[in-house]
Amino acid sequence: GAVVSQHPSRVICKSGTSVKIECRSLDFQATTMFWYRQFPKQSLMLMATSNEGSKATYEQGVEKDKFLINHASLTLSTLTVTSAHPEDSSFYICSARDRGGGGNQPQHFGDGTRLSIL
Amino acid sequence: GENVEQHPSTLSVQEGDSAVIKCTYSDSASNYFPWYKQELGKRPQLIIDIRSNVGEKKDQRIAVTLNKTAKHFSLHITETQPEDSAVYFCAAKRRVGNEKLTFGTGTRLTIIP
Repeated sequence: GAVVSQHPSRVICKSGTSVKIECRSLDFQATTMFWYRQFPKQSLMLMATSNEGSKATYEQGVEKDKFLINHASLTLSTLTVTSAHPEDSSFYICSARDRGGGGNQPQHFGDGTRLSIL
Repeated sequence: GENVEQHPSTLSVQEGDSAVIKCTYSDSASNYFPWYKQELGKRPQLIIDIRSNVGEKKDQRIAVTLNKTAKHFSLHITETQPEDSAVYFCAAKRRVGNEKLTFGTGTRLTIIP
């Protein structure tokens, strides 16, 4: 089955630090990856759609300069939380969809990254 | 945009009984409806999905029904087991291109042994 690898799984760092999270599709190619944020006991909130070779599409209210997304290849997208502050602490999850098979291939999720800013 | 509502937010059932979770959506152009199971601190895992050209789909103890006219779809779990305890999310998406998934608010299902 399709596997999405996300690293790191846990980050604890000081306020002001920039943190990079990687999302890789291991056995399929993904022209599109998605980045979500999930607060405790809440649903997944889409932050941005990452498109290979082009700029990401951000959801309303998400600061693009704060959450930098790069999707340089068909198997890797990165999310960088710049100058992180305690309010950025959350669970960040990526997902990817196989580019083959038309528009309704299911999304497969990474294991998530729990970010804690002190 | 799409809006997906999910009920109930919490559900407790006796082991062996059935559990039903319901979702409604607003965008009539949506035609793909997956269900995800998320255990605490883990990734959401796709458990079943349905497309709008069918009304029902079954996979062992799990089934999903879709009513396009009423714009609602439901997850049915029969013969529940303790390992079914998790948070379940429904979602909806348009078919065209790479349209995003819109998730429901989740249902915390607890199976009572």
